[in-house]
Amino acid sequence: QVQLQESGPGLVKPSETLSLTCTVSGDSITSYWWSWLRQPPGKGLEWIGYVYYSGITNYSPSLESRVTISVDTSKNQFSLNLRSVTAADTAIYYCARIFCSGGGCYWFVPWGQGTLVTVSP
Amino acid sequence: ETVLTQSPGSLSLSPGETATLSCRASQTINNNYLGWYQQKPGQAPRLLIFTASTRATGIPDRFSGSGSGTDFTLTISRLGPEDIAVYYCQQYDSLPLTFGGGTRVEIK
Repeated sequence: QVQLQESGPGLVKPSETLSLTCTVSGDSITSYWWSWLRQPPGKGLEWIGYVYYSGITNYSPSLESRVTISVDTSKNQFSLNLRSVTAADTAIYYCARIFCSGGGCYWFVPWGQGTLVTVSP
Repeated sequence: ETVLTQSPGSLSLSPGETATLSCRASQTINNNYLGWYQQKPGQAPRLLIFTASTRATGIPDRFSGSGSGTDFTLTISRLGPEDIAVYYCQQYDSLPLTFGGGTRVEIK
């Protein structure tokens, strides 16, 4: 079964770039679509964007100007870059597989365990 | 953007009781494109229900979903301590994909 594991720095300075990687095991990254989501401590869930191995992406309008999601098929990984971060970007970041079919993308299963990223000087 | 409003914000019930959680959308969700997730303390969310009423793999039949249009419900019967969690609804009828604010379920 597919398993996902996030990795990356737990602390990022304001105005810098947050970079995270999700390693996929148990299946080829070329078989599905993949997504990033986040959850500020004690708050709700926010979808960031999704990617297909071919490079097709779709981002949340609220973050689109600062986000890039990409895939490295040789490593079976996909990545998140979020530029010009502020304290408001402090959150648990989750990677997940997203079920897509017939031109639409739908629900998230499974999820990685999540990684807390704090934005602080 | 479709805004999802969940109610109540929290509820506390006795073991064996039935929990009824509501998710209301700011606009019609077509094709019942709505899912429910369970997030236990310290864990990632887990998919429970998709397309409003279809249970995901491995989800017990104590969990059931219903509704259409703008009003959806998650029902959890025979509540037990393993059900302590925050429950979120998510719509995928339109972009951006959005989640409700969550309902916290506690056991008395």
